[in-house]
Amino acid sequence: AQSVAQPEDQVNVAEGNPLTVKCTYSVSGNPYLFWYVQYPNRGLQFLLKYITGDNLVKGSYGFEAEFNKSQTSFHLKKPSALVSDSALYFCAVRDPWNAGNMLTFGGGTRLMVKP
Amino acid sequence: GAGVSQTPSNKVTEKGKYVELRCDPISGHTALYWYRQSLGQGPEFLIYFQGTGAADDSGLPNDRFFAVRPEGSVSTLKIQRTERGDSAVYLCASSSGSSGTSGNIQYFGAGTRLSVL
Repeated sequence: AQSVAQPEDQVNVAEGNPLTVKCTYSVSGNPYLFWYVQYPNRGLQFLLKYITGDNLVKGSYGFEAEFNKSQTSFHLKKPSALVSDSALYFCAVRDPWNAGNMLTFGGGTRLMVKP
Repeated sequence: GAGVSQTPSNKVTEKGKYVELRCDPISGHTALYWYRQSLGQGPEFLIYFQGTGAADDSGLPNDRFFAVRPEGSVSTLKIQRTERGDSAVYLCASSSGSSGTSGNIQYFGAGTRLSVL
């Protein structure tokens, strides 16, 4: 079975500082990994994905994530946080050999960027 | 272009009633998914359609839940004899490809917030 852990319920960072939102996963075989962001009363918005290739993937709004196979992690990062980045962030994993194609999500991490 | 549309955005019902939640996927997307998001939690998979057929319904919690996609586009999630524990946000997503190694992105709608009183 596949699973995702986001160990931090909330991350606080000052505007302009770098941010990291942590994610670890468990899946048999090579995973497909995703980050989504959710603003209040909005659906999940895709940020970036890792399928294969370069371990550092770049996505929307200046976000990036680093795939680390040995640590089974896929942490989300941004060099300089903006107040508008404040939202709920979800990491998700998919087993590419699972015909169900479902995403398994972590519990989410609330990012608070203070001016 | 238009994204995934879900209606209604909010639904309040009484315990024991029947409800239908509708999802209009992105035009041309063959895959459609339903997830349920309870307060303070991540979305949980319910069911996946490829075209008109339910390819995986392993996430449906019990037989009170049912979903259809008769023409391979719009889908309806149906909940019979609703219970207070069914209260959650029901999210629909669509993607352009089939299952497998394509890594297709799932695009989500804004969800339907169901409240069972």
